[in-house]
Amino acid sequence: DTGVSQDPRHKITKRGQNVTFRCDPISEHNRLYWYRQTLGQGPEFLTYFQNEAQLEKSRLLSDRFSAERPKGSFSTLEIQRTEQGDSAMYLCASSLALGTYNEQFFGPGTRLTVL
Amino acid sequence: GENVEQHPSTLSVQEGDSAVIKCTYSDSASNYFPWYKQELGKGPQLIIDIRSNVGEKKDQRIAVTLNKTAKHFSLHITETQPEDSAVYFCAANGDQFYFGTGTSLTVIP
Repeated sequence: DTGVSQDPRHKITKRGQNVTFRCDPISEHNRLYWYRQTLGQGPEFLTYFQNEAQLEKSRLLSDRFSAERPKGSFSTLEIQRTEQGDSAMYLCASSLALGTYNEQFFGPGTRLTVL
Repeated sequence: GENVEQHPSTLSVQEGDSAVIKCTYSDSASNYFPWYKQELGKGPQLIIDIRSNVGEKKDQRIAVTLNKTAKHFSLHITETQPEDSAVYFCAANGDQFYFGTGTSLTVIP
């Protein structure tokens, strides 16, 4: 499968614990995006990378959230001191940004449940 | 930033009928408008997109129209089938992607 992959698919944690998610984009894609999706809502943008550079972060991304893409390939999203409000589906997408238009392809998501 | 509104939130149609989902956007700088289909427990899947220099695009049973003046775009699915049942999201791409709130489509056999 050459699509976007995410690991783990499901994560249950207790409030206050740290969690880390991984995303592997489509291999030739230079952009990688993180989104959060809660039940009944569309995905909300969190942050994106072009190669290894983090170019934009949403105001939704509190100080407890950090993302990295150290070698311009896979990316990790870490949430520190998780809260119940962090429970959501975390989606990763990648794109090959060559010009104006920007087709994004999504992974299956990581569903986080904070107890 | 951009604001994308999507209607209706739920839609039920008989198999074989057509389904139409409408979205409006606020930022005239947005230039790319994809549609995604999301099935339960899966990530969104790109099904069709339209760019700002085009008014209509069709791919088999799926078509999308764009009215830049009115800032709205629509998804049309003809000859619906039960496997079309899913949640559909529109999005507008300006500096980043902004998604609508989704339409839950049910196709009744």
